[in-house]
Amino acid sequence: DGGITQSPKYLFRKEGQNVTLSCEQNLNHDAMYWYRQDPGQGLRLIYYSQIVNDFQKGDIAEGYSVSREKKESFPLTVTSAQKNPTAFYLCASSPGTAVQETQYFGPGTRLLVL
Amino acid sequence: AQSVTQPDIHITVSEGASLELRCNYSYGATPYLFWYVQSPGQGLQLLLKYFSGDTLVQGIKGFEAEFKRSQSSFNLRKPSVHWSDAAEYFCAVGAGTGGFKTIFGAGTRLFVKA
Repeated sequence: DGGITQSPKYLFRKEGQNVTLSCEQNLNHDAMYWYRQDPGQGLRLIYYSQIVNDFQKGDIAEGYSVSREKKESFPLTVTSAQKNPTAFYLCASSPGTAVQETQYFGPGTRLLVL
Repeated sequence: AQSVTQPDIHITVSEGASLELRCNYSYGATPYLFWYVQSPGQGLQLLLKYFSGDTLVQGIKGFEAEFKRSQSSFNLRKPSVHWSDAAEYFCAVGAGTGGFKTIFGAGTRLFVKA
């Protein structure tokens, strides 16, 4: 089955620690995205990538970093600079980045701060 | 600036009753409009989308939405709600300004009572 997988489902971070969220897709999509979801705020774009070895900041990139070394993988690192990381993180992909493209979402990772 | 407003934070309907979820957008050009559904703890799934043509759009799971340019609205409807429709619903607008941008509303949570 084609789709997007995210791991882990739950992740705990200690103060001052960097953590990495995994996102893998086997849909052969060029574009991938990371969103942050907080209650009552909908989805906010952290980073997106249109093609391998390229990525762009979204609306709330501060305190986050990404890489896109392979087409199928787009890991997100939440750094210690992100002071309020507790949220639900969603990864998505689409065939391209035209605005009419449907995005396909993974099941999400919930990040909690200890 | 582009924006999406979902006026209802939550709605409760009885099983078998009709449903309408409201969505208003702000965008200068012809918008690309989407409705996504999110089950608890899961990613988002596309219900339907509108780009042009017939203003009444049919989607999956018996949902439909109507684009009304004069009202800047894209309301989602279903004639008879099932208990399995309980979820959070997000309206989104694709804003093409030379790059990727999809703006999501804050969501409406649907509760279904027996």
